Amino acid sequence: EVLLLESGGGLVQPGGSLRLSCAASGFTFSTYAMSWVRLAPGKGLEWVSAISGSGDNTYVADSVKGRFTISRDNSRNTVYLQMNSLRVEDTAIYYCAKDPYAAMPYWFDPWGQGTLVTVSS
Amino acid sequence: IVMTQSPATLSASPGERATLSCRASQSISNNLAWYQQRPGQAPRLLIYGASTRATNIPARFSGSGSGTEFTLTISSLQSEDFAVYYCQQYNKRPPFTFGPGTKVDIK
Repeated sequence: EVLLLESGGGLVQPGGSLRLSCAASGFTFSTYAMSWVRLAPGKGLEWVSAISGSGDNTYVADSVKGRFTISRDNSRNTVYLQMNSLRVEDTAIYYCAKDPYAAMPYWFDPWGQGTLVTVSS
Repeated sequence: IVMTQSPATLSASPGERATLSCRASQSISNNLAWYQQRPGQAPRLLIYGASTRATNIPARFSGSGSGTEFTLTISSLQSEDFAVYYCQQYNKRPPFTFGPGTKVDIK
């Protein structure tokens, strides 16, 4: 069974930083791209970032470009999201999701349970 | 590519048929997925390739359409189907854009 477990969320002040982690199990981690998707209060789903299975290629939404960085450690079966210069509008539940192929996401399946990030003073 | 969904809310009774619509601002061929999100839970993939059911998804869920117009049909609503449904395009990527969602609630 594929399992994804996010961690690292919490309360942070505007301008602060957080690093989210997603530990994966139940599949050959290095052969699949991985993504982060968020759900802000009262809003819909927003794709944030993705990384290829090898880690050689990364993709970031314009809304977080220059502030968020995705990475992965295939020896630890873990994907990370480093979030810097956080803004109030980054407040959301952040989900880790597995992609169906190695190079680039298409659809997302399955998803982790999410970790809550709250940016507030 | 901008995705829109209608209606924003659909009120229906258990056993009724529900039809949800998704529209893309330009043609995306059949590169569309549908997700279900129940309150307090993670999203779940229902459909990909516009019409292919994901693993373990009941047959009452079906998807259709291509180009810019897509439909998710739930043939007979069960209590566990009352949730928010999102469509997502993966034709031109990134970004991988989602629609704003349709909430299906109990009439």
